[in-house]
Amino acid sequence: SQQGEEDPQALSIQEGENATMNCSYKTSINNLQWYRQNSGRGLVHLILIRSNEREKHSGRLRVTLDTSKKSSSLLITASRAADTASYFCATGAAGNKLTFGGGTRVLVKP
Amino acid sequence: DTGVSQDPRHKITKRGQNVTFRCDPISEHNRLYWYRQTLGQGPEFLTYFQNEAQLEKSRLLSDRFSAERPKGSFSTLEIQRTEQGDSAMYLCASSPRTAQETQYFGPGTRLLVL
Repeated sequence: SQQGEEDPQALSIQEGENATMNCSYKTSINNLQWYRQNSGRGLVHLILIRSNEREKHSGRLRVTLDTSKKSSSLLITASRAADTASYFCATGAAGNKLTFGGGTRVLVKP
Repeated sequence: DTGVSQDPRHKITKRGQNVTFRCDPISEHNRLYWYRQTLGQGPEFLTYFQNEAQLEKSRLLSDRFSAERPKGSFSTLEIQRTEQGDSAMYLCASSPRTAQETQYFGPGTRLLVL
């Protein structure tokens, strides 16, 4: 079953704009991760935030985590056409198996 | 840099046939995971290995599915008596002993059951 739910399901923006997507989850977690998937391809790990962290940055990516609300957000700043992809949040628990949400499909128009 | 590789990349089969997929993890990664992804959905966990031991199996893994990792290196996932509902992308991932939280995914095997 899917643990997380991403919002929105789809997002269309112009190149240079920021893209924000949210993820909610249900159970306790050790960490929350964001992955990117280009059409029909494998997933690429973007960033991991641990349950005791509140915010993390990596390049143009900013992730926040609110464990009291069981939610996370991913912000992509100054988007590029190459950022067009599906973005998934995944929660990690014991054994490190990942439980993924349904994804946000992002289209960045040039 | 040798990432996770999967073979074949695409497989078309007829209902009732058996299929086997192979995953080669990144060298020296001790954990190996299998996920299934249907169109428009996120991946769903199937099973994982630590070295050659299969430590957890999802309820999604019916008795028609079997996975092995005989020498703790590559892994195979076999589906017997395939059904149309088995059509999906099968993803393999591996993680290293020193950073087991992060999983590195292969390109996937796309299965179509006719």
